Amino acid sequence: SAVISQKPSRDICQRGTSLTIQCQVDSQVTMMFWYRQQPGQSLTLIATANQGSEATYESGFVIDKFPISRPNLTFSTLTVSNMSPEDSSIYLCSVGFGAGSYEQYFGPGTRLTVT
Amino acid sequence: EDKVVQSPLSLVVHEGDTVTLNCSYEVTNFRSLLWYKQEKKAPTFLFMLTSSGIEKKSGRLSSILDKKELFSILNITATQTGDSAIYLCAVVQGAQKLVFGQGTRLTINP
Repeated sequence: SAVISQKPSRDICQRGTSLTIQCQVDSQVTMMFWYRQQPGQSLTLIATANQGSEATYESGFVIDKFPISRPNLTFSTLTVSNMSPEDSSIYLCSVGFGAGSYEQYFGPGTRLTVT
Repeated sequence: EDKVVQSPLSLVVHEGDTVTLNCSYEVTNFRSLLWYKQEKKAPTFLFMLTSSGIEKKSGRLSSILDKKELFSILNITATQTGDSAIYLCAVVQGAQKLVFGQGTRLTINP
């Protein structure tokens, strides 16, 4: 497994602003992912953060709204841009080690409220 | 359309009872099935199941996968109030994308 931290743990933001969430892992990992969990819902994959290249987005998510960076094998950021109340969710990063290991481990999450 | 369906969605039992949570799936390019426990924000990893018929156990929790019938079950014996949580089933698809079920909200009353 891995020790994963996220910052901030929670935030309240005004509509129209942007928030950047950081995900830090204590060891190098092959795969990093960003998920969203809307109130009362299950988790939905936003994108796979690729080290050194553009993220791979799932259907319904676009780079202009959720730009992602992954400058190295231990760190990634997700920005929620031009926020609206519908973006109020928990945002979670997860990591996987690849090489036939399918387990994923989640960070503590960021609870975002947009007013 | 890929889907993972969990049942029941909600379950309330008394401490000491045994519970069985169900997860069925229809997902292309299946790699593995994962179970998680979610108490606050972060899901914590419980089991990974890749082969049919091999039971995974951890204390009072156990799980098994049936790849022919496309389902998995999670059993919890001698439940405790600390087992109260949302239990999530997720299928690993292709290059490690997780497709999650809706979750089962389990409440253990003393």
